[in-house]
Amino acid sequence: EVQLVESGGGLVQPGGSLRLSCAASKFTFSRYWMTWVRQAPGKGLEWVANIKGDGSEIHYVDSLKGRFTVSRDNAKNSVYLEMNSLRADDTAVYFCAKNGQFAPGSFESWGQGTLVTVSS
Amino acid sequence: DIQMTQSPTSLSASVGDRVSFTCQASQDVNIYLNWYQQIPGKAPKLLIFDASNLETGVPSRFSGSGSGTHFTFTISSLQPEDFATYYCQQYDNLPYTFGQGTKLEIK
Repeated sequence: EVQLVESGGGLVQPGGSLRLSCAASKFTFSRYWMTWVRQAPGKGLEWVANIKGDGSEIHYVDSLKGRFTVSRDNAKNSVYLEMNSLRADDTAVYFCAKNGQFAPGSFESWGQGTLVTVSS
Repeated sequence: DIQMTQSPTSLSASVGDRVSFTCQASQDVNIYLNWYQQIPGKAPKLLIFDASNLETGVPSRFSGSGSGTHFTFTISSLQPEDFATYYCQQYDNLPYTFGQGTKLEIK
């Protein structure tokens, strides 16, 4: 069974930075797009960014471009989300997800999420 | 960006009921529409992809239909474990967008 384990969340001050990691296992990681989705407390889901299997294509939601950077290391079966200039409204649980093989815009497996709290 | 509007935002029902709710896209998304279930404190779970295809392992009481801008999600006979929040999500255009969710509660 696919496993995705996020880490790196925590409490950070406004203006600070954080790097989230997602370790994947039990599938051929380099063949799949990977996605980050976030969920503010008590709110709905927001698609953040995705990255192609070979890392050659990356897309972001416009509101986060320039502050967030997605990358991956296929040798380590990991995907990352670098977050800079963090604001209070970035407070959320951040999930990584494996995109579908047959429906590439679907998120067929998810990690448990990691909580990022931006507060002074 | 494509806006996804779910209706209703909350719904009360009983075990055994048949329930349906809808998702409306602000522009044509073809069949590129997925449905997820989220139980509080847990990650979302993919139930339906491409509007009407049941994800492997998902019970057949769940179904989806529609294309273009109007989509429907149905649970044929509610089970206790089905009380959760359901989200639609389009992937016809970037950025991929979710609906605001329909919370299904026990009556």
